[in-house]
Amino acid sequence: VQLLESGGGLVQPGGSLRLSCAASGFTFSNYAMSWVRQAPGKGLEWVSGISGAGGSTYHADSVKGRFTISRDNSKNTLYLQMNSLRGEDTAIYYCAKDYLWGYYTDDWGQGTLVTVSS
Amino acid sequence: EIVMTQSPATLSVSPGERATLSCRASQSVSSNLAWYQQKPGQAPRLLIFGASTRATGIPARFSGSGSGTEFTLTISSLQADDFAVYYCQQYNNWPPTFGGGTKVEIK
Repeated sequence: VQLLESGGGLVQPGGSLRLSCAASGFTFSNYAMSWVRQAPGKGLEWVSGISGAGGSTYHADSVKGRFTISRDNSKNTLYLQMNSLRGEDTAIYYCAKDYLWGYYTDDWGQGTLVTVSS
Repeated sequence: EIVMTQSPATLSVSPGERATLSCRASQSVSSNLAWYQQKPGQAPRLLIFGASTRATGIPARFSGSGSGTEFTLTISSLQADDFAVYYCQQYNNWPPTFGGGTKVEIK
């Protein structure tokens, strides 16, 4: 299993960013996926999840209405569209493969850093 | 959402000793509890799922127990490679929630 995140960087408050996660080594469409973030020096926070076919999504209250998770199973790629970014969104964002929809994560990417600052 | 509380925040243990980490849920999560290990600069790694089942490749010195609201991760004889931060996560209710972590450091 390989999960390779990209798209992180420095963005101003109120700005937008789209993260991508290229997956390989497994049948991507068979697995639910999630994004989990970690603010500098802090613990883990689950952000968003999506079912294997993409028909079901769930977002944490902290990002609801601002972030959108999606996937393109033809490209084996997971996305996170982040709008109206705030300072508290600064974190490493991990792409995560879930055992099943609504279950634990059994594989993680190495993460991509998002910094929201003026 | 379900609040997960881990204790202690930091555990100082000598190599070869036993470490016992606790995780408490604000309401029952049945056995839908996972443990992860995270080393500095690395992504988390799954250790335990279903409260007590070791993930693939995890050494037998790691064991999990508990159900409902009280859970324990035990490392029977700490090795140098085990000094890290450990997180519990419930996946019984949406959204999945993590505890704040326990840092296991060298005494």
